[in-house]
Amino acid sequence: DSGVTQTPKHLITATGQRVTLRCSPRSGDLSVYWYQQSLDQGLQFLIQYYNGEERAKGNILERFSAQQFPDLHSELNLSSLELGDSALYFCASSVGGAVRGYNEQFFGPGTRLTVL
Amino acid sequence: GIQVEQSPPDLILQEGANSTLRCNFSDSVNNLQWFHQNPWGQLINLFYIPSGTKQNGRLSATTVATERYSLLYISSSQTTDSGVYFCASGGATNKLIFGTGTLLAVQP
Repeated sequence: DSGVTQTPKHLITATGQRVTLRCSPRSGDLSVYWYQQSLDQGLQFLIQYYNGEERAKGNILERFSAQQFPDLHSELNLSSLELGDSALYFCASSVGGAVRGYNEQFFGPGTRLTVL
Repeated sequence: GIQVEQSPPDLILQEGANSTLRCNFSDSVNNLQWFHQNPWGQLINLFYIPSGTKQNGRLSATTVATERYSLLYISSSQTTDSGVYFCASGGATNKLIFGTGTLLAVQP
């Protein structure tokens, strides 16, 4: 158990819908990262938050958005869902947000999203 | 950005055999991690190893940062070692760039 929790574990929805994925980081970690794992794209970084502020952005679609709340949990919102958004979405956390220094990331169990 | 390549893409071993997995990265890195993704999809941290050598039981890893590669050694493999092994590196930003993984099957 990494200490990172994600809910829900599974989500089945229809095209055009909107869903929210939730992540709680390990105790003491200030950074939260979101990754997407799909069969055709592999594991890809989406976005990072550090202590409530967006720190880095990757291949995140405009239909997707995220935020980190004062209690440090994070939510990833996916809207206007398409079949191709079906994937395993991981949240990870690390203690810091600086590039230098110890920055090991720990991953949650993931949310498996199926868009029908 | 950084590119990460892993080899071999897949590997079949008999229980008890040893193996070496390789990860090449294209630029200097501040972070290098090895993960095991089990058949249930969980990503399990194996090593945080931007440089040097570490050992944890039957697993060990070495990263030679100046030559831009890392190796993961699995000794006396067990069926529970089966799954996908990912190398991921981070450079100028905190984001991890993942390789395409090595699919390992350990047969009894």
